[in-house]
Amino acid sequence: GQQVMQIPQYQHVQEGEDFTTYCNSSTTLSNIQWYKQRPGGHPVFLIQLVKSGEVKKQKRLTFQFGEAKKNSSLHITATQTTDVGTYFCAGRTGTASKLTFGTGTRLQVTL
Amino acid sequence: DGGITQSPKYLFRKEGQNVTLSCEQNLNHDAMYWYRQDPGQGLRLIYYSQIVNDFQKGDIAEGYSVSREKKESFPLTVTSAQKNPTAFYLCASSGRDQPQHFGDGTRLSIL
Repeated sequence: GQQVMQIPQYQHVQEGEDFTTYCNSSTTLSNIQWYKQRPGGHPVFLIQLVKSGEVKKQKRLTFQFGEAKKNSSLHITATQTTDVGTYFCAGRTGTASKLTFGTGTRLQVTL
Repeated sequence: DGGITQSPKYLFRKEGQNVTLSCEQNLNHDAMYWYRQDPGQGLRLIYYSQIVNDFQKGDIAEGYSVSREKKESFPLTVTSAQKNPTAFYLCASSGRDQPQHFGDGTRLSIL
């Protein structure tokens, strides 16, 4: 079955440093979504990417979808303590409504 | 998300007992999903439903059952056949080709 892996599993940064998480799918995706889960909370939708090579920005966050539509990345510039949480990518194949979630990257930010 | 209500927030199960987790949404979404999340892990799909009176198994359906008699409701039963039920259970819903909205989750433990 489809697998979606993320690296790194965990990253600890000092506030102000940059952070990147990478997402790789075993199959070609029709679209990819990114979610953030704060400790003790539930996942919250951040963004959806649909087109090959697409790049979207949300303030300090930059999302990319690979040309082959099998990988994606999330880059945070100048991290803040409010960025703490686990970031998940989630891929959809074809017209299926279900998503396959990645393994997640837990980000810890300290002052 | 305010549109999805999961109850109870905490649940304890005795050996050999079936328990049912409630999930209600008022977002008029056709699709609903149940995920299991173990500590420090990603989300694994248990069951999903794309329309009333229809549902499909996800990746880890054994020991679980669901029903979808109403558009708003998608209860999950954790049966006694599920030998390791301790986990955080998340319910989500989505419109067609839209991101998923999650409830606050139910934490299930074994007595």
